[in-house]
Amino acid sequence: DAGVIQSPRHEVTEMGQEVTLRCKPISGHNSLFWYRQTMMRGLELLIYFNNNVPIDDSGMPEDRFSAKMPNASFSTLKIQPSEPRDSAVYFCASSPSSGGAEDTQYFGPGTRLTVL
Amino acid sequence: SQQGEEDPQALSIQEGENATMNCSYKTSINNLQWYRQNSGRGLVHLILIRSNEREKHSGRLRVTLDTSKKSSSLLITASRAADTASYFCATAVHQAGTALIFGKGTTLSVSS
Repeated sequence: DAGVIQSPRHEVTEMGQEVTLRCKPISGHNSLFWYRQTMMRGLELLIYFNNNVPIDDSGMPEDRFSAKMPNASFSTLKIQPSEPRDSAVYFCASSPSSGGAEDTQYFGPGTRLTVL
Repeated sequence: SQQGEEDPQALSIQEGENATMNCSYKTSINNLQWYRQNSGRGLVHLILIRSNEREKHSGRLRVTLDTSKKSSSLLITASRAADTASYFCATAVHQAGTALIFGKGTTLSVSS
């Protein structure tokens, strides 16, 4: 299995531009998670989906952030407009979500976003 | 506030020594997991311990859980330079959807 795939791996953009991050979860996994990692705040859960439905988006910083999961094999995280404080590494993770609370999460390699 | 807090924030040891990292959390949990992150990479799951378990082993890893103290420890025995990484504890709080809450991690440096 290829694991969780994220694209792009690196993104440099200017303030005010729209940024779209993409994620392909492991085939057969039912839960998908978006995280943001910074030195100051550590690893923060932004939103997670179960069976393509957003379950908890309380971690999404503000209305500039939106996430979609149109099907079981694809998700996007969009920032519009982007700001320098959005600079971080964004991780996508998926889990089998068998229904119990014992699922481990499989992380993608991350997208390093720099907003100038 | 963080659900899981690792201690120490940074740890430097020599190859062959043991490394112990601790994690404290605030609310009751279903399970606690430890992950490793190498520089520039995503997190990798190491081990999961359920709330009704006290100790678990996996290779050179030993994890303990004390639910009365709301704390866990990760012991890496006979450390190697390749163990250099950041280590995170994560607690499963929600029942459905398995949303984990991660601590800020312990950065381990193992020198040869």
